[in-house]
Amino acid sequence: DAGITQSPRHKVTETGTPVTLRCHQTENHRYMYWYRQDPGHGLRLIHYSYGVKDTDKGEVSDGYSVSRSKTEDFLLTLESATSSQTSVYFCAISDGSRYTGELFFGEGSRLTVL
Amino acid sequence: TQLLEQSPQFLSIQEGENLTVYCNSSSVFSSLQWYRQEPGEGPVLLVTVVTGGEVKKLKRLTFQFGDARKDSSLHITAAQPGDTGLYLCAGAKDTGNQFYFGTGTSLTVIP
Repeated sequence: DAGITQSPRHKVTETGTPVTLRCHQTENHRYMYWYRQDPGHGLRLIHYSYGVKDTDKGEVSDGYSVSRSKTEDFLLTLESATSSQTSVYFCAISDGSRYTGELFFGEGSRLTVL
Repeated sequence: TQLLEQSPQFLSIQEGENLTVYCNSSSVFSSLQWYRQEPGEGPVLLVTVVTGGEVKKLKRLTFQFGDARKDSSLHITAAQPGDTGLYLCAGAKDTGNQFYFGTGTSLTVIP
């Protein structure tokens, strides 16, 4: 199994509070991704990173920011959580093989915003 | 609106039956992947197809990439309870490293 660890695995928070989710990899893969999964929507890309300090927006980036200061860590921050951000968040990594790179996923972080 | 739409969204069948899941888009993709996800876990890659019209077989699973590279299908022959899970298609566009996922098909195979 690819070495990907997400933390926390479960979090309950209140509307308006900041939340940071962490993704840690031990594979030294260049690409890292944050997805959210909601019923009927499959997985939607929030942000991704193609190297240290290199990040770009995905389909649903509003309300989210990311940072990657080290190859192994990719942080997802909700500056002021809203109930619409209640979801399961998945981190994924890839070696970056163009078009065919396999995505390896973490086990997910379930976030509930009350 | 998502780039990739899957149908059906839910499918419940008896063990031994055949089924087909569809993944459709109006966009062209450079490659198309299929993943399977089990409850409480992340998706796991089943196959990647890269050429229009390509067909790949993985035991009882047959994957096809449309000639125009806008759609794909997954056919399962003689489904087994172990096939139960959420099936997701994912397409890579010209940038190569952004993968857009479909809406998902939840399959239940009843023993």
